[in-house]
Amino acid sequence: DAGVIQSPRHEVTEMGQEVTLRCKPISGHDYLFWYRQTMMRGLELLIYFNNNVPIDDSGMPEDRFSAKMPNASFSTLKIQPSEPRDSAVYFCASSLRAGGYNEQFFGPGTRLTVL
Amino acid sequence: AQSVTQLGSHVSVSEGALVLLRCNYSSSVPPYLFWYVQYPNQGLQLLLKYTSAATLVKGINGFEAEFKKSETSFHLTKPSAHMSDAAEYFCAVSDYQGAQKLVFGQGTRLTINP
Repeated sequence: DAGVIQSPRHEVTEMGQEVTLRCKPISGHDYLFWYRQTMMRGLELLIYFNNNVPIDDSGMPEDRFSAKMPNASFSTLKIQPSEPRDSAVYFCASSLRAGGYNEQFFGPGTRLTVL
Repeated sequence: AQSVTQLGSHVSVSEGALVLLRCNYSSSVPPYLFWYVQYPNQGLQLLLKYTSAATLVKGINGFEAEFKKSETSFHLTKPSAHMSDAAEYFCAVSDYQGAQKLVFGQGTRLTINP
């Protein structure tokens, strides 16, 4: 298996622009997670899906952020409009089944820089 | 609410020396505990996990961790450090109730001196 795939790996944009990050989970995994990593706040869970349905979006910082999962093999995280404080590494992860003990498999991340 | 505290944001050891990375957790229910490793410019990779089967957990690359309920700790150790162990290490806790959410510590950057 290719693992969790994220694109792009790097994104540089200007303040006010729309940014879309993409994720392909491991085939057969029912759960998909979006995380943000910054020096100041560490790793934060933004939102997670179960069988394409958003379950908990309490970590989404504000209305400028939205996430979708139109099918089992694709998810997007969109920021509109982007701001410099959104600069971070965004990780997508997936896991196989229910149960807090299940391993989450992480993608390589997208490094976002908002100028 | 669950939380994780990693003591020491940066640990430096000599090659061949003992590695000890500290993690304390807070949880109102029996926890699941994890250690993940992040190499530069990569995603996180699971090192090991505690799921109540055994208090001493062995992971990949020679790492192990011991769950101590009385101390609410889950420290990560490796008897002999290797240069390839240089990375950032994250401790995480999950809710036994299966909410799927992982709460991560702030991370510890491990440096290996030749």
